[in-house]
Amino acid sequence: RKEVEQDPGPFNVPEGATVAFNCTYSNSASQSFFWYRQDCRKEPKLLMSVYSSGNEDGRFTAQLNRASQYISLLIRDSKLSDSATYLCVVTPNNNDMRFGAGTRLTVKP
Amino acid sequence: DAGVTQSPTHLIKTRGQQVTLRCSPKSGHDTVSWYQQALGQGPQFIFQYYEEEERQRGNFPDRFSGHQFPNYSSELNVNALLLGDSALYLCASSLTGGATKNIQYFGAGTRLSVL
Repeated sequence: RKEVEQDPGPFNVPEGATVAFNCTYSNSASQSFFWYRQDCRKEPKLLMSVYSSGNEDGRFTAQLNRASQYISLLIRDSKLSDSATYLCVVTPNNNDMRFGAGTRLTVKP
Repeated sequence: DAGVTQSPTHLIKTRGQQVTLRCSPKSGHDTVSWYQQALGQGPQFIFQYYEEEERQRGNFPDRFSGHQFPNYSSELNVNALLLGDSALYLCASSLTGGATKNIQYFGAGTRLSVL
């Protein structure tokens, strides 16, 4: 079993749609959780941290369920500029990050 | 405020050669991590350097080695290159123990092609 597993995608949605990505992780002792965004042939960039209480940043909402070892990302009112690969990230300790393979999103006009 | 910088941006080598990649962390950061990203995959953790020592290592062979300098910059060395080493190599910096809870910021990467 992979340490971090994500929806395989790709997701192709129209502008204005709501889309949700899911992620599961295998190490129950994992301490921190993040969503990163990666544009084609660019470096990953932090989108948001994920907290147990859930957190929201504009059109983006992240949720963490430690009992189920499950993380989600919800994007509302999708924009063309949201097209990217979304990477689920888990830190098993305070040092290294473990990435999922990523889910590719394409938002179409 | 300079972000994470990596050099070179692109590199072409042949099998069996050795390569050195360089990284300067974001200003104020003291920790450098290296990742390998193959096409269509997420980044895979190679190792992390803190206080000039390798603090953590992923599942990579000893052909992959590194170094951190007193100014916190870092190098990744790969010996005896294989075709399978072709990938994007990403450096990420962070501040150990800081308020940002070790969030890592990435450089633009070095794209290595082994022929």
